Amino acid sequence: QIQLVQSGPELKKPGETVKISCKASGYTFTNYGMNWVKQAPGKGLKWMGWINTYTGEPTYADDFKGRFAFSLETSASTAYLQINNLKNEDTATYFCARRRDRYDGFDYWGQGTTLTVSS
Amino acid sequence: DIVLTQSPASLAVSLGQRATISCRASQSVSTSSYSYMHWYQQKPGQPPKLLIKYASNLESGVPARFSGSGSGTDFTLNIHPVEEEDTATYYCQHSWEIPPTFGAGTKLELK
Repeated sequence: QIQLVQSGPELKKPGETVKISCKASGYTFTNYGMNWVKQAPGKGLKWMGWINTYTGEPTYADDFKGRFAFSLETSASTAYLQINNLKNEDTATYFCARRRDRYDGFDYWGQGTTLTVSS
Repeated sequence: DIVLTQSPASLAVSLGQRATISCRASQSVSTSSYSYMHWYQQKPGQPPKLLIKYASNLESGVPARFSGSGSGTDFTLNIHPVEEEDTATYYCQHSWEIPPTFGAGTKLELK
């Protein structure tokens, strides 16, 4: 069965770096783009961007340019989200979600990784 | 960016009754062939689950009591008859352009 399994919760201090993983199974990894979605505590969903799993090219939403980086380990069917120079406002749950193409819905989601940034 | 306005923000419905959630886009997200609007259900502590894509296409495994309609700028998610397990927050999301955006959500509770 299709699964996206994310790494566990993270507790970080401001200024530190975090790298969240999303391991895919049950389908051909390179046939679907991998997207990242942020959900701040008690808030809605915000699309951060996506990475083309075939070419490795990332695309970032405007609010997520600069400190955020998407990457792949294609041999392990794994996508990564790295956030540098963490800020308190990065405290959120981060989801990976696959999408067949840019017109489609997000049909499978990871379980979410909760990041807490606090001094 | 396209703004999606959902209404109501919350609603309480009795078991077996109908729940209707609206989503209005700040510009059209439809062509003559497709409407680029999708609906999700999210329960606390869980990721969103895709219910309906392209405005009216039920995702595999989703109960037939969920239905979607609409085109252009106005879209609706209906749940009938509402069951206890349907208590959740529902989001619309467009895929007309980059970035895809989500509505603010509608929280469905049982009366």
